[in-house]
Amino acid sequence: EAGVAQSPRYKIIEKRQSVAFWCNPISGHATLYWYQQILGQGPKLLIQFQNNGVVDDSQLPKDRFSAERLKGVDSTLKIQPAKLEDSAVYLCASSSTSTGGNTIYFGEGSWLTVV
Amino acid sequence: GQNIDQPTEMTATEGAIVQINCTYQTSGFNGLFWYQQHAGEAPTFLSYNVLDGLEEKGRFSSFLSRSKGYSYLLLKELQMKDSASYLCAVISIRDGSSNTGKLIFGQGTTLQVKP
Repeated sequence: EAGVAQSPRYKIIEKRQSVAFWCNPISGHATLYWYQQILGQGPKLLIQFQNNGVVDDSQLPKDRFSAERLKGVDSTLKIQPAKLEDSAVYLCASSSTSTGGNTIYFGEGSWLTVV
Repeated sequence: GQNIDQPTEMTATEGAIVQINCTYQTSGFNGLFWYQQHAGEAPTFLSYNVLDGLEEKGRFSSFLSRSKGYSYLLLKELQMKDSASYLCAVISIRDGSSNTGKLIFGQGTTLQVKP
């Protein structure tokens, strides 16, 4: 089965510019996660979707970050305007259930550098 | 709140055994994951524990004690390729009615295997 697809893999932008990341989860997976991982740290959950509804976005900086999953499949994460501290890898993950099990799969990540 | 603690760095010798500990505090615990992450790559699944006890999978084993909020990952017959970051992550159920889980990561333990 195809894995979680993310694009772009790498992006370099100047501060105050905008950027968007796209994620296509594994087919049939209802739960989709966006994580931010700063170098040397563990992934931090930004937002979690269950189908097309937001389950948790408590750690999403809503003044500059937004995410949507309109049809309950693909998702986009947008940053506008970007700050230097947004330099990180943005990981998308999906799961067939929302309650656990060894069914959480990660994409390869989108690496963002803000200069 | 939720809190996950694991050592920042560990060093071990090729062929040896190493144990990476993880302690957690969370409500609605519904399972604990261990992931391996090589530099520049996305996390990959190693193990999942939801009941107390030891789960063995080849050279890797994972142990859970729910009453103590404690888990460890045991790596045997260490190989150079095991040099990576090991992430402990906990699924907690935040809303009993919807049973929607939230996956939270620790900061990760960087393991260096030396010849």
